[in-house]
Amino acid sequence: DGGITQSPKYLFRKEGQNVTLSCEQNLNHDAMYWYRQDPGQGLRLIYYSQIVNDFQKGDIAEGYSVSREKKESFPLTVTSAQKNPTAFYLCASSTAGANTGELFFGEGSRLTVL
Amino acid sequence: RKEVEQDPGPFNVPEGATVAFNCTYSNSASQSFFWYRQDCRKEPKLLMSVYSSGNEDGRFTAQLNRASQYISLLIRDSKLSDSATYLCVVNRWDSNYQLIWGAGTKLIIKP
Repeated sequence: DGGITQSPKYLFRKEGQNVTLSCEQNLNHDAMYWYRQDPGQGLRLIYYSQIVNDFQKGDIAEGYSVSREKKESFPLTVTSAQKNPTAFYLCASSTAGANTGELFFGEGSRLTVL
Repeated sequence: RKEVEQDPGPFNVPEGATVAFNCTYSNSASQSFFWYRQDCRKEPKLLMSVYSSGNEDGRFTAQLNRASQYISLLIRDSKLSDSATYLCVVNRWDSNYQLIWGAGTKLIIKP
């Protein structure tokens, strides 16, 4: 079955540690996205990539980094520079740019920084 | 003021009732509109797009009012399985069509 796989589902880390969240898709989508969701707020875009080896900052990129070396993969690193990293992280993909409006999401990764 | 605003709810509605909620957007460059559904602690999934002429999908009807800058979602004959958070989403031609998400309206259908 085609879809998006995020791992890990739950992650606990100590303050000051970098963590990397995995996102893999087998939908053959060109575009991939990372969002962050906090209680009472809409999803906020961290980074997006519309093609391999290229990515752009979203609204809240500070303290995060990404890579897009393969079409299928778009890992997100939450660095120690991110001041409030505890959140629900969602990876998504789409067939083209987001103007289609249809994003396919992974099940999310819930990061808790202790 | 948030660019996309929704009443957070919760809306507590008896099974079988009709429920409607709105979403307002502030940027006139908003081009396209969508409703997503998100179950508790799960990922969002596209429910329906909202066209200028409105659209209907079974028990769900979405409307767009560009003059007043809001979209609406109507659910008829509500089911227990409709309990979820409904997210309003818009994209703007002036932001490379990136999606702007509302915080969602929580709906609870009671037996």
